[in-house]
Amino acid sequence: QQQVKQSPQSLIVQKGGISIINCAYENTAFDYFPWYQQFPGKGPALLIAIRPDVSEKKEGRFTISFNKSAKQFSLHIMDSQPGDSATYFCAASILNEGSYDKVIFGPGTSLSVIP
Amino acid sequence: SQTIHQWPATLVQPVGSPLSLECTVEGTSNPNLYWYRQAAGRGLQLLFYSVGIGQISSEVPQNLSASRPQDRQFILSSKKLLLSDSGFYLCAWRKIDGTDTQYFGPGTRLTVL
Repeated sequence: QQQVKQSPQSLIVQKGGISIINCAYENTAFDYFPWYQQFPGKGPALLIAIRPDVSEKKEGRFTISFNKSAKQFSLHIMDSQPGDSATYFCAASILNEGSYDKVIFGPGTSLSVIP
Repeated sequence: SQTIHQWPATLVQPVGSPLSLECTVEGTSNPNLYWYRQAAGRGLQLLFYSVGIGQISSEVPQNLSASRPQDRQFILSSKKLLLSDSGFYLCAWRKIDGTDTQYFGPGTRLTVL
């Protein structure tokens, strides 16, 4: 019930295209859904995050879409650029839950944006 | 501002040798601290987490151990390394302030030969 599923495992998109990564969860207690971006040899860094009280959040070319009833959320990268090539992790957690101190990460998606 | 440090950045060790990786956080107090391992091309495997000095929770039973001797110091150790211990080790701290963001360190690349 604490698992976060993520697809696809890898994704190749042409420059200028839209990259879409999907995630699904089971634990309805999760109330915070961040996305992390990791470049080779570096630690992951927070990219964008959403709370379940909104259905969409946009920051520049990055958009999270959230479907609470389906327990699914997705990352859309508009106008994908070669510099976006990285591994993306979705995650879920429960905010301010003293007895629940872990962030559950999806298995990751390797994105390659080709010129 | 907060900063997280890990060292060493790269380490090559023979099988059976001991291990000590260190992580320190600056600019915050009483953070939650985490050790993750990432195999090549794989996801993040949570190894240990700590909510306070001397408080360690283990996620995966193996020949690794963790300690938190000070509020902002987290150490990952092993008495005898295995080939399967090779990987990219990441330390992270968690900010409990309504955003619940985890901040990762730069990582340590460990190769066991």
